[in-house]
Amino acid sequence: DSGVTQTPKHLITATGQRVTLRCSPRSGDLSVYWYQQSLDQGLQFLIQYYNGEERAKGNILERFSAQQFPDLHSELNLSSLELGDSALYFCASSGSGTASHSTDTQYFGPGTRLTVL
Amino acid sequence: AQSVTQLGSHVSVSEGALVLLRCNYSSSVPPYLFWYVQYPNQGLQLLLKYTSAATLVKGINGFEAEFKKSETSFHLTKPSAHMSDAAEYFCAVTSYSSASKIIFGSGTRLSIRP
Repeated sequence: DSGVTQTPKHLITATGQRVTLRCSPRSGDLSVYWYQQSLDQGLQFLIQYYNGEERAKGNILERFSAQQFPDLHSELNLSSLELGDSALYFCASSGSGTASHSTDTQYFGPGTRLTVL
Repeated sequence: AQSVTQLGSHVSVSEGALVLLRCNYSSSVPPYLFWYVQYPNQGLQLLLKYTSAATLVKGINGFEAEFKKSETSFHLTKPSAHMSDAAEYFCAVTSYSSASKIIFGSGTRLSIRP
C-alpha cells in the first residue's frame, strides 16, 4: 500500500459526458501527479500540482483539467469524453520539498479505470 | 527532448536465471533515470533511481541497474529470477531542467518459467 488513494476504482460512462477522478496523496506529500495509461499511448504524464499550484504540464488535453485543494487532495476533470479517453488514470504523490522535484520518489495510487462507451 | 527505449516488449526467463531488461535513453542534458515495476491491477512502484551519484544503483527486491553514459544505457538486472518478479517494468527519464516531466518507456513484460 503506497498510501495514495484514488476514487472511484472503476468508472463507466458515455461519450460526451464529464467525470471527476479524485486522489488523496500520502500524508505530508505536497505534490500530486496525474498519469494516463492506455494500450496505444502507453504511460503518459499529464500534469503536476505542488501545494495547490500547477507546476508542470505534460500531454494533457484541453478537455482535461485538474486542481489541488487546500487539503492537498486533487481532482482530475475529464469532459466531452471520447472513446479514446478510455484508460487507466493514475495519481502519484511526492513531497520531500527538495529543490529538485525531478528526483523525488513518486508513490502511485492503484488507479481509476475509465471506460467510455 | 528526452526519450527512453526499452528493447523487448516481453522477456521470459526461467526461475533462478539472470534477469536483464534493457533500457536506452536519449537526453541532451544530464538525465535522471528510474525503473518502476507494475504488478497486475496495481499502480507503479519505484525499484530504483539514478540521480548522478553512483553509477551502479541498487534497488529493492534484489534489482540493480548501471548507468553507462558512453552507451546511453540503464539496464536492469537481477542475478536470480523469482516467480514473484513476474510483472511489467518501466524505464523512465527526466532531468533537473525538465522540472517534473517524466518520460516513460513502453514497458517490458517479464514472465518467469518454473
